[in-house]
Amino acid sequence: NAGVTQTPKFRILKIGQSMTLQCTQDMNHNYMYWYRQDPGMGLKLIYYSVGAGITDKGEVPNGYNVSRSTTEDFPLRLELAAPSQTSVYFCASSPLQGSFSGNTIYFGEGSWLTVV
Amino acid sequence: DAKTTQPTSMDCAEGRAANLPCNHSTISGNEYVYWYRQIHSQGPQYIIHGLKNNETNEMASLIITEDRKSSTLILPHATLRDTAVYYCIVPPKNQKVTFGIGTKLQVIP
Repeated sequence: NAGVTQTPKFRILKIGQSMTLQCTQDMNHNYMYWYRQDPGMGLKLIYYSVGAGITDKGEVPNGYNVSRSTTEDFPLRLELAAPSQTSVYFCASSPLQGSFSGNTIYFGEGSWLTVV
Repeated sequence: DAKTTQPTSMDCAEGRAANLPCNHSTISGNEYVYWYRQIHSQGPQYIIHGLKNNETNEMASLIITEDRKSSTLILPHATLRDTAVYYCIVPPKNQKVTFGIGTKLQVIP
């Protein structure tokens, strides 16, 4: 298994441009997540999904959109890039293991985005 | 959702045990405690998790107090490669998993 794969790994955007960060997982996990991490800070949840067709906002959703048309893919869309969106973005997934048990989360390697 | 509290940073001498505490006083009876670590700029990596019993695997040991309000992650013989940020989390039922700042562990030669 490749696990969680994110593309691109690095990207420089100009203010106002749009782009999509791609994320795919081959573990048939129900849950998928997008986090951002600013320098020296912790992870902030942007959006998450509990299954195909179902998404929900996290802690910092403004400026982002997501979709989940398949189990495998969970792309993150930035519509009008702003310097405040300069960050490292991590995609993650976890399996459905029954209620209340908590599930191990598997992370991708990250996507470094700079908005100038 | 149960919140967790961890010290911002800790130091540990190489070869000694690193004991990383976490407070989760609002944890519910059937919520698990999970630990992850993030080595510089990489994606966080799962370490261990537990419900009420102490747990051990090849990476670490997890000690959970009897009242479950706190836990300690133990790295028995810390190496320089264990320098990382360690996150203690209690995933909520809806799996809307958030991470705090974690504990930055510096292993000193």
